[in-house]
Amino acid sequence: NAGVTQTPKFRVLKTGQSMTLLCAQDMNHEYMYWYRQDPGMGLRLIHYSVGEGTTAKGEVPDGYNVSRLKKQNFLLGLESAAPSQTSVYFCASSTSSYEQYFGPGTRLTVT
Amino acid sequence: AQRVTQPEKLLSVFKGAPVELKCNYSYSGSPELFWYVQYSRQRLQLLLRHISRESIKGFTADLNKGETSFHLKKPFAQEEDSAMYYCALSRGATNKLIFGTGTLLAVQP
Repeated sequence: NAGVTQTPKFRVLKTGQSMTLLCAQDMNHEYMYWYRQDPGMGLRLIHYSVGEGTTAKGEVPDGYNVSRLKKQNFLLGLESAAPSQTSVYFCASSTSSYEQYFGPGTRLTVT
Repeated sequence: AQRVTQPEKLLSVFKGAPVELKCNYSYSGSPELFWYVQYSRQRLQLLLRHISRESIKGFTADLNKGETSFHLKKPFAQEEDSAMYYCALSRGATNKLIFGTGTLLAVQP
């Protein structure tokens, strides 16, 4: 099992460009999450999903959109990137048993 | 407001010394608390959770509801314990996590 994978690992965008981050899990987990990690701020929840076809906002959803068309995939989109979105993005998945399994992260720089 | 506080950004100890990483929380309900660890160049992973009351890699953490704390302890630090440690609080059935800002543990030889 690959667990949780994220694509791409690194990306540099210019202000105003758009991109999609892909998260995939092969553990048949119902719940999936997107976090951003910034220095001195820990991880903050952007959006999450409790099942295929459902999404909900987390703590810092502005500027991001998500989709969960398939149970194993959770996509995070940036429609118009801003320098404030420079961060490391982590995807995670879980069942109802509380432990979250994290992906390796995507380092995004917006210039 | 729901919050997790880790007051120390960096904790530096010598090998063999005791370690205590502090975590305080504020939550109106019955908390589910966790410690996650991120070793260098590895992904974030669960270290332990309070409901299991187990010791992992020599680490323990006790939930103190009176002091709203969930400090992580180890009696004798090892160099391989050097990592970033995050305390986290789970909110409700959807298992959304609130993370603290993390403490970098550096164990010196």
